[in-house]
Amino acid sequence: GAVVSQHPSRVICKSGTSVKIECRSLDFQATTMFWYRQFPKQSLMLMATSNEGSKATYEQGVEKDKFLINHASLTLSTLTVTSAHPEDSSFYICSARVGRVNQPQHFGDGTRLSIL
Amino acid sequence: AQSVTQPDIHITVSEGASLELRCNYSYGATPYLFWYVQSPGQGLQLLLKYFSGDTLVQGIKGFEAEFKRSQSSFNLRKPSVHWSDAAEYFCAVGDNAGGTSYGKLTFGQGTILTVHP
Repeated sequence: GAVVSQHPSRVICKSGTSVKIECRSLDFQATTMFWYRQFPKQSLMLMATSNEGSKATYEQGVEKDKFLINHASLTLSTLTVTSAHPEDSSFYICSARVGRVNQPQHFGDGTRLSIL
Repeated sequence: AQSVTQPDIHITVSEGASLELRCNYSYGATPYLFWYVQSPGQGLQLLLKYFSGDTLVQGIKGFEAEFKRSQSSFNLRKPSVHWSDAAEYFCAVGDNAGGTSYGKLTFGQGTILTVHP
């Protein structure tokens, strides 16, 4: 149980392109989803917290207009990297949590984004 | 603000040897603590969690961790390591005190485990 599917697993695109990444909770309803960014050989950095039906809460230093997050249902959140540039290349990971904060986050397999 | 320190960036053990990965946290209240494992190019898998109660927590794949409040530690252990345990391990503390950080996880820097045959 508690499976989170993230798609696509890898994307390569040209600079200036917008890229959408999907995060789905397959067997549970996720009231809260999180988006992380991970640089090579580093830990996960939280980008934003997304609650179903409400606006995402972004961490300090994360551009809201650059990284658009939509959490339209209890099983789906999307991250759109708008007008992507090479510096946006990274590993993006989503997680989903059921209900209360003492429940663990369940992670997707991540998306490797490469901007040429 | 909460923080997590994993002092060992890289640990190498022989297959069959015991393992202990260190984790120290800084948090003002009783923490929610987690250990996750990440294989290369993949997401994170939950190994175990501590919320309250018994300070020795059993997880999947034969792992266990012990919460020691006096030492602000939550070290991960395994009595006999298998080659398939080679991965990166992350300790995390969850915020349960309310406010703008409520429910967020703060991760340590990770410990890369190499297993020699």
